[in-house]
Amino acid sequence: DAKTTQPPSMDCAEGRAANLPCNHSTISGNEYVYWYRQIHSQGPQYIIHGLKNNETNEMASLIITEDRKSSTLILPHATLRDTAVYYCIVRVAIAGGYQKVTFGTGTKLQVIP
Amino acid sequence: DAGVTQSPTHLIKTRGQQVTLRCSPKSGHDTVSWYQQALGQGPQFIFQYYEEEERQRGNFPDRFSGHQFPNYSSELNVNALLLGDSALYLCASSYLAGGPSTQYFGPGTRLTVL
Repeated sequence: DAKTTQPPSMDCAEGRAANLPCNHSTISGNEYVYWYRQIHSQGPQYIIHGLKNNETNEMASLIITEDRKSSTLILPHATLRDTAVYYCIVRVAIAGGYQKVTFGTGTKLQVIP
Repeated sequence: DAGVTQSPTHLIKTRGQQVTLRCSPKSGHDTVSWYQQALGQGPQFIFQYYEEEERQRGNFPDRFSGHQFPNYSSELNVNALLLGDSALYLCASSYLAGGPSTQYFGPGTRLTVL
């Protein structure tokens, strides 16, 4: 599995955009970038995923660089409820989901009032 | 639409005992994965079940075993518990398909070994 590198922590002012970077320089052509977040002691929550195009949903936007070696998760208007640990992972989309998933230690995002 | 459910929510055991944790996948999902998350760490992959068989396994000893039932629900069994097995155990489900198989996680079971 390709490894990911994320900053251990970040702060963001409430109402501002939170931009969380992720480096995945060894990503393979068939590996997707997934983002999850985990609020204290709860199960990880799926946010968004993408292969090479930028993606947007109701929660966030995902910007993937052209060479796919890095990506940025954008929370457009951070709220206090967005305070969580954010995990960036890469995984192959194959039938049956047989690929194991490797999580790093993530980025702890603190949204400040 | 019920999401992934796990039981129990909390569990306290002593060293040497055995424990069984349970997971019901999200409606329409047929694949279940189990993860162990120690305090301050990211989730670590234990194993994945599909069609009632273990398909992938992480770096966990044979004390960790599992089962998947015909209704796709799953159990995680841990024998001869050690203090180091204290962790949050997470279950995630996904659907067998040709495209991205997004995993959805349950709330977890907090296991404390004394």
